[in-house]
Amino acid sequence: DAKTTQPPSMDCAEGRAANLPCNHSTISGNEYVYWYRQIHSQGPQYIIHGLKNNETNEMASLIITEDRKSSTLILPHATLRDTAVYYCIVRYSGANNLFFGTGTRLTVIP
Amino acid sequence: DSGVTQTPKHLITATGQRVTLRCSPRSGDLSVYWYQQSLDQGLQFLIQYYNGEERAKGNILERFSAQQFPDLHSELNLSSLELGDSALYFCASSVSGGTGYNEQFFGPGTRLTVL
Repeated sequence: DAKTTQPPSMDCAEGRAANLPCNHSTISGNEYVYWYRQIHSQGPQYIIHGLKNNETNEMASLIITEDRKSSTLILPHATLRDTAVYYCIVRYSGANNLFFGTGTRLTVIP
Repeated sequence: DSGVTQTPKHLITATGQRVTLRCSPRSGDLSVYWYQQSLDQGLQFLIQYYNGEERAKGNILERFSAQQFPDLHSELNLSSLELGDSALYFCASSVSGGTGYNEQFFGPGTRLTVL
């Protein structure tokens, strides 16, 4: 699986959009970008995934650049409950496991 | 609530001992994955079972073993425990075995403390 690079930490004001970047410059054509988050030692939670088109669901939006070398997870209106470690994972569709890097620790500030 | 259950929630034991962690996947999910999360190593994939058969292996020590039973629940056995085995152990489940979109649902974890 391609490696990812994420900033170690970010702050976001409550109610504002949180934009979490991820670099995956070695991604190959059949690898998906997945985002999971982990709230304080709970089990990781799936957020969203995409291949090359932008995606949106009830939790977040995923913007993937045209060259697919980077992506941004957007939480449109961050709440205190969004404080968590966010993991960007690049994964071949046939792979059986998720490789979790160090992620970005997002702190939503009141 | 992901629908994945793990027992026990906490486990405290001594070095050299053996413990068993249990996981029940979501209804309908055929794959079970085990992950270890320690402070210095982060979340690491250990092993996957699909419909009773071992499907993939990660950084699992020889002292650790797992199995998936006909009712699809899984157990992770840790033996000859060392202080460094202290960690959170997560189980995840998914519908399929890996091909294609394969969202994993994680359980609440078992916190193992080895004294």
